[in-house]
Amino acid sequence: DAGVTQSPTHLIKTRGQQVTLRCSPKSGHDTVSWYQQALGQGPQFIFQYYEEEERQRGNFPDRFSGHQFPNYSSELNVNALLLGDSALYLCASSTPGTGIEETQYFGPGTRLLVL
Amino acid sequence: LAKTTQPISMDSYEGQEVNITCSHNNIATNDYITWYQQFPSQGPRFIIQGYKTKVTNEVASLFIPADRKSSTLSLPRVSLSDTAVYYCLLGGSGGYNKLIFGAGTRLAVHP
Repeated sequence: DAGVTQSPTHLIKTRGQQVTLRCSPKSGHDTVSWYQQALGQGPQFIFQYYEEEERQRGNFPDRFSGHQFPNYSSELNVNALLLGDSALYLCASSTPGTGIEETQYFGPGTRLLVL
Repeated sequence: LAKTTQPISMDSYEGQEVNITCSHNNIATNDYITWYQQFPSQGPRFIIQGYKTKVTNEVASLFIPADRKSSTLSLPRVSLSDTAVYYCLLGGSGGYNKLIFGAGTRLAVHP
């Protein structure tokens, strides 16, 4: 049973460019969340997708957008990259709980470096 | 979501039991308590989750007092490979669950 997978593992971009990161959820999961983790800090919630729609969003600008496909995989797009966007981008998948906590399982992340 | 407070760092030695306490004075009735472990440049890994009393699995125990204003993650007989950052989080059930991470506790296990 494959866990959450992300691609690419590493990426280098320059300021002003655009980037797309990809995530495949754990088998059986239909909800995908994206997090940004700067060096030395805890992950920060970007947004969450369910049924191909964004249903929650954290405090991130509109430069950050996403998409979920019918097979539940997801993409994170960041436009007009800034130096401060350099971080580890994490994808987590889950499935709505039935009276218990909706446990999220994380992928290995994509390390983005903006020069 | 309610905020959690954890020690910034802890040190231990191989073979010892480690207890990491998390304070969450404003925990909501429907909040569960979840702990994650994270190694450098990897995604957080789910360790354990509970609502009240005690929960035990193959890697850890979670103790939650009756008032639920704190919780303690217990790692029995730690090894060097347990050196990591440990996060305590709160979250509600029923979907719409975004995880709010704090700075976590950096555990260093020494030989």
